[in-house]
Amino acid sequence: DTVMTQSPDSLAVSLGERATINCKSSQSLLYRSNNKNYLAWYQQKPGQPPKLLVYWASTRESGVPDRFSGSGSGTDFTLTISSLQAEDVAVYYCQQYYYTPRTFGQGTRVEIE
Amino acid sequence: QVHLVQSGTEMEKPGASVRISCKASGFTFSSYYIHWVRQAPGQGLEWMGIINLSGGGTNYAPKFQGRATLTRDTSTSTVYMDLRGLTSDDTAVYYCARDKDRGMGPADYWGQGTLVTVSS
Repeated sequence: DTVMTQSPDSLAVSLGERATINCKSSQSLLYRSNNKNYLAWYQQKPGQPPKLLVYWASTRESGVPDRFSGSGSGTDFTLTISSLQAEDVAVYYCQQYYYTPRTFGQGTRVEIE
Repeated sequence: QVHLVQSGTEMEKPGASVRISCKASGFTFSSYYIHWVRQAPGQGLEWMGIINLSGGGTNYAPKFQGRATLTRDTSTSTVYMDLRGLTSDDTAVYYCARDKDRGMGPADYWGQGTLVTVSS
């Protein structure tokens, strides 16, 4: 299986400051035929299902605030929250959808400092 | 708008089977794929498998091959996940989720989740 490793496991950031979450894949997620990285980011709040934030590594889902951005290619990816808001407290997961089985990172918990 | 509404909480004994339903609305059912993902208490997300709502073709994570079965009923726009041989390790919230891109994309809409508790 493709192993997805997120770092850090948790982070505390002050309101208005930047939060950065990293995700590393054990295999490349770049499909050269279409130059797309098969990597998504989800946000999950307690008691709720995950919510899609970013797909193709850097395409923001409709309705997602532009303070969320994704970057990276191949095996290394980053989710950045440019200015943390109180409502961003959640667990964030990366997921690869290039290989079967699709696999998720272990999650990164984001809290307010 | 898109809705995926799942069946309610289940409590089962070890060795039993469970069936969870996921009723879809707000989109053309046969044009999409549905994933199943589970989450054990306090743990991360685990992908179980995917079903093509048009032809019914399925693809399972090796861990669930032979133990999970995904089916769909196009007349009621409902997807089913059957899991056999339950153990306490299967205690989890189970989610259905729609694939965004013909089975080649992420999951863009999720059901509310169904808690399955396996206990003697």
